[in-house]
Amino acid sequence: RKEVEQDPGPFNVPEGATVAFNCTYSNSASQSFFWYRQDCRKEPKLLMSVYSSGNEDGRFTAQLNRASQYISLLIRDSKLSDSATYLCVVRGFNKFYFGSGTKLNVKP
Amino acid sequence: DTGVSQNPRHKITKRGQNVTFRCDPISEHNRLYWYRQTLGQGPEFLTYFQNEAQLEKSRLLSDRFSAERPKGSFSTLEIQRTEQGDSAMYLCASSFQGPTNEKLFFGSGTQLSVL
Repeated sequence: RKEVEQDPGPFNVPEGATVAFNCTYSNSASQSFFWYRQDCRKEPKLLMSVYSSGNEDGRFTAQLNRASQYISLLIRDSKLSDSATYLCVVRGFNKFYFGSGTKLNVKP
Repeated sequence: DTGVSQNPRHKITKRGQNVTFRCDPISEHNRLYWYRQTLGQGPEFLTYFQNEAQLEKSRLLSDRFSAERPKGSFSTLEIQRTEQGDSAMYLCASSFQGPTNEKLFFGSGTQLSVL
């Protein structure tokens, strides 16, 4: 079983839509959680950390449910520039585990 | 530019040749990671260093792969006797492991094509 599982998508949404991605992780001892964004043929870039209390950064909201080992990312008012692959990342003991990513296409 | 730097950006080689990649981390970061990524997959952990010590290697890292970080600064990843299955993006990331949440910062990667 993979450490981090994500729906690969693609999610095709119109501009202005709200879209949500989920991921699950297998190790209950995981310590910290992140969402990274990756554009085609580019390196992953940190989008936001995810905290148990939930956190927001502009149009982006991340939630963590430790009991269900589940992480979510909500994007409101989608922009064309949000089109990318979103990677769910979980830090275990001294190692970061990446999901395969969820592809988002925002269309005009 | 004070980010993570990797070179070369692209490397094309023939099967059986040796290749070496270099990574220069963010200067105040004490940890350096190597990952490999193939199309449609997330990055897969290869190895990491805390300062100059290599603390863990993945089972993905066969004996043809070796990584060094001689003075706790830049790192090199060498692949000997390359195979077509080695074709991938090799990503380096650095972090500061301290009292606050450790976060990874990636370089632009080296795209390896083995012909």
